[in-house]
Amino acid sequence: NAGVTQTPKFRILKIGQSMTLQCTQDMNHNYMYWYRQDPGMGLKLIYYSVGAGITDKGEVPNGYNVSRSTTEDFPLRLELAAPSQTSVYFCASSWGLAGGRYEQYFGPGTRLTVT
Amino acid sequence: RKEVEQDPGPFNVPEGATVAFNCTYSNSASQSFFWYRQDCRKEPKLLMSVYSSGNEDGRFTAQLNRASQYISLLIRDSKLSDSATYLCVVNSAGKSTFGDGTTLTVKP
Repeated sequence: NAGVTQTPKFRILKIGQSMTLQCTQDMNHNYMYWYRQDPGMGLKLIYYSVGAGITDKGEVPNGYNVSRSTTEDFPLRLELAAPSQTSVYFCASSWGLAGGRYEQYFGPGTRLTVT
Repeated sequence: RKEVEQDPGPFNVPEGATVAFNCTYSNSASQSFFWYRQDCRKEPKLLMSVYSSGNEDGRFTAQLNRASQYISLLIRDSKLSDSATYLCVVNSAGKSTFGDGTTLTVKP
């Protein structure tokens, strides 16, 4: 199993550009999450999904959108990138309620710089 | 007040030392608790789940005190390879809240 994969690994965006961060998991997990981590700080939840077709906002959703059309994929869309979105973005997945297990498995992250 | 608070750190200890981290949480309805380890510029990785009765995995012992709403992690016989940031995670209804982490540096 590849686990959780994220693409791209690195990206530089200009202010106002848009992009989609890809996340795929092959563990058949129900729950998926997007976090951002600013330098020297903890993880902040952006959006999460408890299953295909269901998404919900986390702590810092402004400036982002998500969709969950399949169990495996959970892309994060940045519209009109701003310097404040410079961060490392981590995708994670877990079994969730169906499996009664909430330990999360993380992808390697996407390092995004907006200039 | 943050939902999950950890010892501010950093902790600098010699090899072989025993070190303990504490973490407090504010949501009394929290159901699941974990410790993660994060190496510099890497993704967090699950270190261990924390069970009500306490649990041990080699040199690592985790404890949960629901009445006082805190969890702890004890590392015995510290190794150089234990140097990392340790994240406390509390889960309620499927949503996890991470602490900001405590950095440990183990020195020769």
